[in-house]
Amino acid sequence: SQQGEEDPQALSIQEGENATMNCSYKTSINNLQWYRQNSGRGLVHLILIRSNEREKHSGRLRVTLDTSKKSSSLLITASRAADTASYFCATEGLNTDKLIFGTGTRLQVFP
Amino acid sequence: DTGVSQDPRHKITKRGQNVTFRCDPISEHNRLYWYRQTLGQGPEFLTYFQNEAQLEKSRLLSDRFSAERPKGSFSTLEIQRTEQGDSAMYLCASTRGGLDTEAFFGQGTRLTVV
Repeated sequence: SQQGEEDPQALSIQEGENATMNCSYKTSINNLQWYRQNSGRGLVHLILIRSNEREKHSGRLRVTLDTSKKSSSLLITASRAADTASYFCATEGLNTDKLIFGTGTRLQVFP
Repeated sequence: DTGVSQDPRHKITKRGQNVTFRCDPISEHNRLYWYRQTLGQGPEFLTYFQNEAQLEKSRLLSDRFSAERPKGSFSTLEIQRTEQGDSAMYLCASTRGGLDTEAFFGQGTRLTVV
């Protein structure tokens, strides 16, 4: 079962533009994480935001978390063709040790 | 340490055959997870281990699926009497355990049941 849903399902932009992806989830969480997956490959961890944090930055990535709305967003600034991939949010719930993933956003960045 | 490794990378099998996949986690990680991912979907949780103990199994995991982690190091996932619906990417991940830890994923095993 999927904990989260991501929006949009697919996103196409030009290099240099910003990309914003949104994630909504259903239950209370310890943290929310974002992962990236290149086609047919494993997932790579990008950033983790704890439930008591509202915003976090890492390089060109900015993540926000609104626990009252059970939602998060991932912003990639100044996108590059190499950012083309699928992006997934994953939540670690309260009283659980597993990550539950969303449905993903497929990002295409055109050079 | 070369990260999480999975073997084989690809497996094609006939319906009704048994298959076994192996995952070698990062050596100091005590938690190991198995996920299944179908095309266009996010990974779905199957099961996880704390050292050698299997702590949780998803309801998705029918009795044809079994996983082991005998010495708390590598893990195997076996699917008996495979069905076409088992075709998917099987992903393994490991973590140090505890709260707020990131998961490290292997490259996955792509299973095709014909």
